[in-house]
This record gives sequence, structure tokens and C-alpha cells, in this order.
Amino acid sequence: QLVLTQSPSASASLGASVRLTCTLSSGHSTYAIAWHQQRPDKGPHYLMKVNSDGTYKRGDDIPDRFSGFSSGAERYLFISSLQSEDEADYYCQTWGTGIWVFGGGTKLTAL
Amino acid sequence: QVQLVQSGAEVKRPGASVKVSCKASGYTFTDYYIHWVRQAPGQGLEWMGRINPNSGGTNYIQKFQGRVAMTGDRSISTAYMELTKLRSDDTAMYYCARGPFLGDWGQGTLVTVPS
Repeated sequence: QLVLTQSPSASASLGASVRLTCTLSSGHSTYAIAWHQQRPDKGPHYLMKVNSDGTYKRGDDIPDRFSGFSSGAERYLFISSLQSEDEADYYCQTWGTGIWVFGGGTKLTAL
Repeated sequence: QVQLVQSGAEVKRPGASVKVSCKASGYTFTDYYIHWVRQAPGQGLEWMGRINPNSGGTNYIQKFQGRVAMTGDRSISTAYMELTKLRSDDTAMYYCARGPFLGDWGQGTLVTVPS
């Protein structure tokens, strides 16, 4: 079964860097994923696609403080120079044959 | 630029139906699937299904089989999601999104089903 696992919460200081992790279920380690940001009381916003080979492609309006990486079944979202506006929920998402799946989301707090 | 503009908020009685629209612009409507995602209050994102606007073909998750219908009108570049037999736990924000990576999202439509 295709499942994405995320830690419920993360925190980092303003100006610091933070790494969020999304883990693919067994047997699905070659899948690409997408990351989406959802700020408080806003709708989701696409950040980037991360491939299994570690390459990634940001959305056109996403600053280069956001990057992606892969290692095995894990997909990462890196945020550098954390800003207050980065405080949000972050969801990973992937797709299989006729089904799309979201992780449970990580709530990022900027301290 | 790509835009997905959804219809306004709805309040429905239990057992009723709701139909949410999603008007696309800025790209060729038939080139990308439209997906529907919902988010209950305080909860995460839940994929409901998708429609191929070119063929009308659909995929729904089993949870909504028999209660949901996704359709599209190519002449006005608009996709629709109809949910029937509404219950209080269908109260949620409903979003449409474009393409396999959900690269563009609508602004959301709040559907409220009072208990």
C-alpha cells in the first residue's frame, strides 16, 4: 500500500535551516513526490517535485531558499534562512496507478 | 498565468447534494487532469479523485465511490465535483488542483453540513 509518513511537527530558529522528511512505504522507494506549503488559513501551494535520483524542480514562484533531495525511500525539503512567513504546514504527495496520496503533514514553527 | 477559480461557499442539509465548480484559465483545459482534494477542519489533505477533461474518464477513492461524481465541460473550461448524501463529516474545504504534481490549486470552497 502506498503510504507517505511525515513527522507531525518541526521547529527551527529564524534565519536557521531546517529539513523536513517524507518517507515512502516499502516497495515504493523509486517514486517521485511533490511538496506543498499551506500557510495558516490559506489553501495549499505547490513548492516542488523531488525525484528519486535527488533532482528537484521548484515552482516558478518559489525562492531558492527551498530545495529538495532524496535518499532511498526518503524525500527531503530543505529550507534555508528561515523566515516567519515559512511557518506553515508542509505536505508531501505522490501518485500511483489511479491513486494520489498525501502525507499527514508537518507543522513547522519558526522560533 | 494558470488560474483555477472555484465557486462560493455552500451550506447544505444532511442528505442533500452539493456541486462545486472549478473554472480553469491560462492553459489548455484538456491537457491536464483536474484533481479534487478535501480538508476537514483542523485535518490534513485528502485526495478524493480526478477527472480527465479530455475523455471524461474518472478515478475515485473507494471511500467516495457511489457518492461522488466528477465531470467537466470543455466548452467553458470548467470541472465539477458533486457529492451526494451529505453528512456532517463532509464539512470541509474542497479544492481543485491541476496535473500530476497538483502544481496549481483553486482557492477552495467551504462546504458546511450542520449536524
